Amino acid sequence: KNQVEQSPQSLIILEGKNCTLQCNYTVSPFSNLRWYKQDTGRGPVSLTIMTFSENTKSNGRYTATLDADTKQSSLHITASQLSDSASYICVVGTNNAGNMLTFGGGTRLMVKP
Amino acid sequence: ETGVTQTPRHLVMGMTNKKSLKCEQHLGHNAMYWYKQSAKKPLELMFVYNFKEQTENNSVPSRFSPECPNSSHLFLHLHTLQPEDSALYLCASSQERGISNQPQHFGDGTRLSIL
Repeated sequence: KNQVEQSPQSLIILEGKNCTLQCNYTVSPFSNLRWYKQDTGRGPVSLTIMTFSENTKSNGRYTATLDADTKQSSLHITASQLSDSASYICVVGTNNAGNMLTFGGGTRLMVKP
Repeated sequence: ETGVTQTPRHLVMGMTNKKSLKCEQHLGHNAMYWYKQSAKKPLELMFVYNFKEQTENNSVPSRFSPECPNSSHLFLHLHTLQPEDSALYLCASSQERGISNQPQHFGDGTRLSIL
C-alpha cells in the first residue's frame, strides 16, 4: 500500500531559527515528490517538485532534499519567519496510469516571536 | 491569488438540504480535481476530470455528485449529507491529467458543516 509518513506532527520554533521536516514514503513506482505549504484557512501552495534524478531543490528559504534510495525527503526552513507558520504537506506521485498522488498527513509548524 | 476560485467559502447545511459547491480556474488548465480534507487526515482525492471527462471516482458515496460543464468550471452537488461529511473541500487544477511532475493549483476551499 502506498503511504507517506511525515514527522514531527507538530513543531514550535522561535523566529529566526532553522528547522527540518521529514517525509518517508513507500510509493511505487516513484515519479516525483512535492512539498506544499498550507496556511490556516487557505488551500495548499506548491513549494517544490523533485523527480527521481534530483536530490535537492530550493525555493527561497525553503530547501527540499530527496534520497530516492532510502525513500526519504526533508524540507529545511532557514531563518524562520512568523509567516512560515503553516502546515507542510509532503506528496509523492507515481508515473503509472493517472499519475496518482499520495498525501502525507502534514507537519504543523508554529513560529513564535 | 492562485487562479482557482471556490465559492462559497463557508457552508452550513442540514442533512436533508441540497447545495452545490463551485470551482472556477483561470489558468487554462484541462484537469480539475475535488479533494476532501478532514481534521488530522491526509487529503483524500474524490473526483478527477480531464478535458471535461470524469476519469476517476475514488469510491465516493453517491450523495456527492460532480459536474464539469467545461474545462474552467467544476461543481460538486451535495444532497442528503451525513455529519461525517463535514470537512474542507478543496478544488485543484493542473495542465493535464496523465502528465507527471506538474504542480496542482488549489483553491482556498469550502468549509462545509453538516448539522
